[in-house]
Amino acid sequence: QVQLQQSGPGLVKPSQTLSLTCAISGDSVSSNSAAWNWIRQSPSRGLEWLGRTYYRSKWYYDYAPSMKSRITFNPDTSRNQFSLQLDSVTPEDTAVYFCARADGRWAYFDSWGQGTLVTVSS
Amino acid sequence: EIVLTQSPDFQAVTPKEKVTITCRASQSIGSSLHWYQQKPDQSPKVLIKYASQSFSGVPSRFSGSGSGTDFTLTINSLEAEDAATYYCHQTNSLPQSFGQGTKLEIK
Repeated sequence: QVQLQQSGPGLVKPSQTLSLTCAISGDSVSSNSAAWNWIRQSPSRGLEWLGRTYYRSKWYYDYAPSMKSRITFNPDTSRNQFSLQLDSVTPEDTAVYFCARADGRWAYFDSWGQGTLVTVSS
Repeated sequence: EIVLTQSPDFQAVTPKEKVTITCRASQSIGSSLHWYQQKPDQSPKVLIKYASQSFSGVPSRFSGSGSGTDFTLTINSLEAEDAATYYCHQTNSLPQSFGQGTKLEIK
């Protein structure tokens, strides 16, 4: 049974960087079958897929076009976790952020983190 | 980018009623359509994968159908615990996308 545990600050100032981490138990971030995703949810945007990372002999990264210029995912094999970094945040980035596992690049999300409310405010 | 449109946005239903939620894709996505249930302050949970396959442990009253652009989630004999928001999700192409959600309220 895969479990995902999120951590990170709940308050970020405008123009700064949002950083969240998703720790994995029951699977490996460098699994050759899984894909590791970030999704966010806000009243204005609903559920929004931010992107994914996965390992298939090398690391791959797919980012949502709307986020591509300021988003980075970092897998950490030593700690079995992956992280999200979102630069130059604005109040529009205020949302609940989720990490999620997919059992394949084109698969559904079978495990989710608990969600982290991130508020962008000075 | 594929847009998923759900209907209705909101429905008030009585226990034991049959509920149908639809999800229409802006272009064909085969069977790469999944359904989730989300209750307040919880993460979404998968109910139906690949349009019609029930996820392990999901009650049999939940079923899905469809392919191409038109999909349906059916809840037979609704129970009070089914009060939640339901989302469809496509994994046919990037960027992945979700429907706007359908909120079910129990009368």
